[in-house]
Amino acid sequence: GAVVSQHPSRVICKSGTSVKIECRSLDFQATTMFWYRQFPKKSLMLMATSNEGSKATYEQGVEKDKFLINHASLTLSTLTVTSAHPEDSSFYICSANILAGGHPYNEQFFGPGTRLTVL
Amino acid sequence: AQSVTQLDSQVPVFEEAPVELRCNYSSSVSVYLFWYVQYPNQGLQLLLKYLSGSTLVKGINGFEAEFNKSQTSFHLRKPSVHISDTAEYFCAVIDPDSSYKLIFGSGTRLLVRP
Repeated sequence: GAVVSQHPSRVICKSGTSVKIECRSLDFQATTMFWYRQFPKKSLMLMATSNEGSKATYEQGVEKDKFLINHASLTLSTLTVTSAHPEDSSFYICSANILAGGHPYNEQFFGPGTRLTVL
Repeated sequence: AQSVTQLDSQVPVFEEAPVELRCNYSSSVSVYLFWYVQYPNQGLQLLLKYLSGSTLVKGINGFEAEFNKSQTSFHLRKPSVHISDTAEYFCAVIDPDSSYKLIFGSGTRLLVRP
């Protein structure tokens, strides 16, 4: 259980185009999904927290107009990189919180990641 | 704000040898601590977590970690590593007083040699 999928796993696009990445919780409902960015040989950097039915909360320094996040249902969040440029090339990973748990925190389950290359 | 320090960027070790990956966190009254493993071009998999209770936590794949509050450490250990353990390992913390966000360390690459 607690499987999170991402689609696509890899995408190559031209500079100036927009790319949409989907994150789905397959066998559970997630009130909150997180989007991370990982540079080569670096750690994960939290970009934004996405709550179902409301606007995403972006971390400091992340352009909300550049990285559009939509969380339309309890099982789907999307990240759209608008007008992508080569510096947006990165590994993007999402995670989802399980809806109910016995501890005052909800465990995050991670997707397999999406490798974005902007030419 | 919470922070996590993984001092070793890479740890080379021979197969079947023991290994310890170090993790220190900034002090807080209460924290939740995690170790994740990442294989190339994949997402993160939870190895183990400390929420409360026993300070020695056992995880998957033969790994264990010990929570040491006085030293603010949560080092990961395995008594005998395999080639397949070669991966990136991330220590992470949640500060319950700070919106339950995961804060990651910079990662340690474990390189197991035959």
